[in-house]
Amino acid sequence: GQQVMQIPQYQHVQEGEDFTTYCNSSTTLSNIQWYKQRPGGHPVFLIQLVKSGEVKKQKRLTFQFGEAKKNSSLHITATQTTDVGTYFCAGMNSGYSTLTFGKGTMLLVSP
Amino acid sequence: NAGVTQTPKFRVLKTGQSMTLLCAQDMNHEYMYWYRQDPGMGLRLIHYSVGEGTTAKGEVPDGYNVSRLKKQNFLLGLESAAPSQTSVYFCASQRGSSYEQYFGPGTRLTVT
Repeated sequence: GQQVMQIPQYQHVQEGEDFTTYCNSSTTLSNIQWYKQRPGGHPVFLIQLVKSGEVKKQKRLTFQFGEAKKNSSLHITATQTTDVGTYFCAGMNSGYSTLTFGKGTMLLVSP
Repeated sequence: NAGVTQTPKFRVLKTGQSMTLLCAQDMNHEYMYWYRQDPGMGLRLIHYSVGEGTTAKGEVPDGYNVSRLKKQNFLLGLESAAPSQTSVYFCASQRGSSYEQYFGPGTRLTVT
């Protein structure tokens, strides 16, 4: 079955440093979504990428979808303490109606 | 709009007991999902539904049953709870397969 690998599992940064999490799929994806889960909370949708090579920005967050549509990344510039949480990627295969989630990257930001 | 709600928020069961988790959404979404989240394992799909009256198995369906009798509700049942089912359970709904999923607040279940 489809597998979605996400690295790193955990990252601890100082406030103001940059952060990147990477997502790799074993199969070509039709789209990829990113979610954020705050400690004790539920996953909240951030963005969806559909096109090969697509890049989208949300303030300090930059999302990329690889040319082969098998990998993606989320980059946060100048982290803030409000960025703390676990970031999940979730991929969907063509013809399917379900997402396969990566195991997530937990981000801790020290002030 | 309440979005996606889940009942109960917490529950402790003894091995062998049964229970039903209720998920309700008021967004008129067609698709609904049940996930479990365990430390270090991410979100794993248990069962899902693409419309009223339909259900399908996800990645980890064993030991669970579901029903979608009404479009707004998706029930997850545990017939004979086991300690391995100790987890946080999230329900999600979605307008269609190419849209984002909206998650409920979760149910923390402990089976002793």
